Amino acid sequence: NAGVTQTPKFQVLKTGQSMTLQCAQDMNHEYMSWYRQDPGMGLRLIHYSVGAGITDQGEVPNGYNVSRSTTEDFPLRLLSAAPSQTSVYFCASSYPLGELFFGEGSRLTVL
Amino acid sequence: DAKTTQPNSMESNEEEPVHLPCNHSTISGTDYIHWYRQLPSQGPEYVIHGLTSNVNNRMASLAIAEDRKSSTLILHRATLRDAAVYYCIPLSGNTPLVFGKGTRLSVIA
Repeated sequence: NAGVTQTPKFQVLKTGQSMTLQCAQDMNHEYMSWYRQDPGMGLRLIHYSVGAGITDQGEVPNGYNVSRSTTEDFPLRLLSAAPSQTSVYFCASSYPLGELFFGEGSRLTVL
Repeated sequence: DAKTTQPNSMESNEEEPVHLPCNHSTISGTDYIHWYRQLPSQGPEYVIHGLTSNVNNRMASLAIAEDRKSSTLILHRATLRDAAVYYCIPLSGNTPLVFGKGTRLSVIA
């Protein structure tokens, strides 16, 4: 099992550019979520989804869009990158109330 | 949402047991208590979770108070690899997992 796969692992963007962080899971989990972690700080929830076609905002949703057209995929879109979005991004998935499985993270730098 | 209180930091000697406390006095009757940890420069990883009774797995034990207002994560023999930030998180229904500040555990050789 691949588990939760995030791509790319590293990305450098210029201010104003857009990009999509990909997240895929092969465990048929209903629940998926995106977190960001700034250097030396804790994890903050960006967006989450409890099933295909359903998404909701977390603690820090501004500047990000998500969609959930399939159970397996939950991409995170940065509409117009800003230096404040420099962070490590983690995708996670689980069954409801179950163990949350995390991807290895995507390190984004915005210049 | 239930609030949690954890010590900012704790220290343990290697090969000694470690008891990491968590206060969650506002927890609801249907909230599970989840514990995660994050090792340096790595993503978070699941440790254990429970609802009412004590739970054991290969990594740790979870002791839940009878009134469910607090719980304790027990590492039976701390190793250097257990140095991490430990998070106690109540979870219910379709609500997402929201991380607090956690407890930074240092293990001394």
